[in-house]
Amino acid sequence: DAKTTQPPSMDCAEGRAANLPCNHSTISGNEYVYWYRQIHSQGPQYIIHGLKNNETNEMASLIITEDRKSSTLILPHATLRDTAVYYCIVSRDSNYQLIWGAGTKLIIKP
Amino acid sequence: DAGVIQSPRHEVTEMGQEVTLRCKPISGHDYLFWYRQTMMRGLELLIYFNNNVPIDDSGMPEDRFSAKMPNASFSTLKIQPSEPRDSAVYFCASSFRGPYNEQFFGPGTRLTVL
Repeated sequence: DAKTTQPPSMDCAEGRAANLPCNHSTISGNEYVYWYRQIHSQGPQYIIHGLKNNETNEMASLIITEDRKSSTLILPHATLRDTAVYYCIVSRDSNYQLIWGAGTKLIIKP
Repeated sequence: DAGVIQSPRHEVTEMGQEVTLRCKPISGHDYLFWYRQTMMRGLELLIYFNNNVPIDDSGMPEDRFSAKMPNASFSTLKIQPSEPRDSAVYFCASSFRGPYNEQFFGPGTRLTVL
């Protein structure tokens, strides 16, 4: 599976959009980009995934560049409860393992 | 659905004792995963099952670790004998077979070995 690169930490003001970048320059054509987050002392939680097109759900938006070498997770109106470690992972379907990196620690400040 | 259920939530034991962690996956899910998380090593996959059959146990650190899945609704991770370096949070996750890799995690078991 391809590897990803994320900044170790980021801050964002409450109510503003949080934009979390991820580089995955070696992604294969059939690999998806997945985002999970882990709030302190809880298990990781799936947020969103995408292949080529931009995706949006009730939690976030995912913007994938045209060459698919990078992506950005957007939390449109960050709240204090969004403080968590965010993991960007590239993988295929359910038959494949998720390879977890160190993620980005996002701190939402009041 | 209640989600993935793990027990106990916290376990404190002494070195050399046997520890058994339990997991009930979400009904209908085909895959079950056991992960370990520490500050030093992050989230590591220990073993995973598909339809109750172990598929990959290459992440199991030593023979002291064993996992079973006797049926679709129950799995155990056993450590015997336990050592202080086994102290970690152990997560169980489940997923269904499909085109997407969406795993659902339990709340975890925090294990402390003294």
